[in-house]
Amino acid sequence: SQKIEQNSEALNIQEGKTATLTCNYTNYSPAYLQWYRQDPGRGPVFLLLIRENEKEKRKERLKVTFDTTLKQSLFHITASQPADSATYLCALPSNDYKLSFGAGTTVTVRA
Amino acid sequence: SAVISQKPSRDICQRGTSLTIQCQVDSQVTMMFWYRQQPGQSLTLIATANQGSEATYESGFVIDKFPISRPNLTFSTLTVSNLSPEDSSIYLCSAGSSGETQYFGPGTRLLVL
Repeated sequence: SQKIEQNSEALNIQEGKTATLTCNYTNYSPAYLQWYRQDPGRGPVFLLLIRENEKEKRKERLKVTFDTTLKQSLFHITASQPADSATYLCALPSNDYKLSFGAGTTVTVRA
Repeated sequence: SAVISQKPSRDICQRGTSLTIQCQVDSQVTMMFWYRQQPGQSLTLIATANQGSEATYESGFVIDKFPISRPNLTFSTLTVSNLSPEDSSIYLCSAGSSGETQYFGPGTRLLVL
């Protein structure tokens, strides 16, 4: 099974700065990788999916990269806002679409 | 996308009792899953709920403790049986059709006394 590591448990940044989160995995490279956002007391919300043949994916102020050589994905929040404060989870699928989740990184954006 | 609702949103139960959690999806989906999220932890997959057949359980989870039903493509239940304080957790239902993106319910927060 995959071992998934997300960088620090918590990331505190100033509003307007870019937050960069890391997701590393140890075993096979999956066909795609996903990022989810989870707010306290709520279920995760899907943000982005990036496939193994895609180097970069963008959605509004979010950017994800996927490096299968390094077995790493980077998740960037540009021009961060206090509303971006949440826990961000990376998730990797197995062959039968089951997802394994990282422990998550909690981002706090200070006004 | 799919909208997922769960009932109850939270409950406090006595040890030795059972709690059944319902998960309703607003559209027909291929796959439904049940996860557990313990305080401060990430999500752990309990089982895949299979429509019309027995659920497929992950290592460490057994049917006697976590019986699951899925009578149709939009509904599933998870029962947590013979509750102990160690079962205190958030239980999440998810669903998807493409085999990729999963949509999650709001979760059921369980406290066992």
